[in-house]
Amino acid sequence: DTAVSQTPKYLVTQMGNDKSIKCEQNLGHDTMYWYKQDSKKFLKIMFSYNNKELIINETVPNRFSPKSPDKAHLNLHINSLELGDSAVYFCASSQGPQPNEKLFFGSGTQLSVL
Amino acid sequence: AQSVAQPEDQVNVAEGNPLTVKCTYSVSGNPYLFWYVQYPNRGLQFLLKYITGDNLVKGSYGFEAEFNKSQTSFHLKKPSALVSDSALYFCAVRPMEYGNKLVFGAGTILRVKS
Repeated sequence: DTAVSQTPKYLVTQMGNDKSIKCEQNLGHDTMYWYKQDSKKFLKIMFSYNNKELIINETVPNRFSPKSPDKAHLNLHINSLELGDSAVYFCASSQGPQPNEKLFFGSGTQLSVL
Repeated sequence: AQSVAQPEDQVNVAEGNPLTVKCTYSVSGNPYLFWYVQYPNRGLQFLLKYITGDNLVKGSYGFEAEFNKSQTSFHLKKPSALVSDSALYFCAVRPMEYGNKLVFGAGTILRVKS
């Protein structure tokens, strides 16, 4: 059973389109995250939710909107996609928001904007 | 603001030899420190973390890391490398205060040759 699963695994789309990436965790964790990994493998946090509430919101364009319908799900919607949005997006979860918690990552969604 | 430096883009080691992957950090206050590993086309996996106490931390797959407060370092080590250890390794730091984000280093590719 996959602990943190995200879909789709690959997403190829045209500039200007709107797309969503879904993430679900079956670990019973309270906290979920979205990270972006660029072409140089650099990882940067985008958002974090704890029990459906936003607790970390990094400086990302407002074209990116996370939605957490319940604490097991954190979806990422991206409007008006741009070439620079091409990256691998990782969802992650942790038991709680405490800074000593380890993160469990999904296998990533490779987004290619043409 | 916190930051993490992994000075080596790549580390090459022969199978059976000891390995070290270096990490230094900058953070105000006391940090939690982590190592994660990423295999090709996979999400990150937690290896180990330093919270408090013994400076030598043991983790998964025979890895260990040594916390050195005076040198602000948290180098990852293994006494005897395996070819299967070849992967991308990330060091990460998170201040102890609630609400701070986990910041990753740029990653170090480890190549173990038989």
